[in-house]
Amino acid sequence: EDQVTQSPEALRLQEGESSSLNCSYTVSGLRGLFWYRQDPGKGPEFLFTLYSAGEEKEKERLKATLTKKESFLHITAPKPEDSATYLCAVWGQKLVFGQGTRLTINP
Amino acid sequence: DGGITQSPKYLFRKEGQNVTLSCEQNLNHDAMYWYRQDPGQGLRLIYYSQIVNDFQKGDIAEGYSVSREKKESFPLTVTSAQKNPTAFYLCASSIGLGTSGKETQYFGPGTRLLVL
Repeated sequence: EDQVTQSPEALRLQEGESSSLNCSYTVSGLRGLFWYRQDPGKGPEFLFTLYSAGEEKEKERLKATLTKKESFLHITAPKPEDSATYLCAVWGQKLVFGQGTRLTINP
Repeated sequence: DGGITQSPKYLFRKEGQNVTLSCEQNLNHDAMYWYRQDPGQGLRLIYYSQIVNDFQKGDIAEGYSVSREKKESFPLTVTSAQKNPTAFYLCASSIGLGTSGKETQYFGPGTRLLVL
């Protein structure tokens, strides 16, 4: 059975303090890995799709990387507006979501 | 502006009542999905549809029903058989399903269903 585990569950950082969020997965035949951002009470906003190990994608202060077992979402010099829950999902036989990492950036 | 709309934003259900959540998209996407989100849990798939007049059960379809009469619309009915309906419901769409590059799902703003 395909599984996705995100860690940590919650992360609190100071503004400008860089860090990484982890998405570990087990899937039979990875067809894609997705990162989303979700603000409270709103729908997830698409960030990245990664298809193969070694692939990287960047958007502003965010960079997503992919290995055969996990993906990292690196946040460089975050700002308070980066505070949100970040969701990871893997596409094998079907799309499976992790439970998310709640990120808080303090000014 | 292309996108996905969901209505209402909040919905209250009385015991024994069926309620319908609306989802409309103008992205010309073929595939549409309904998810349920509960605190501390990942999104769980209720139903999905690849084309008009066809839909498939997801992981937690019991107590729910859908229809896909138009490409743009995929309403979800929460029936009285769903004993724990309180949740945040999300509709999504993608260009297609199962073809690399076309399966990225885009989400609507969600509907929060509460039980009176």
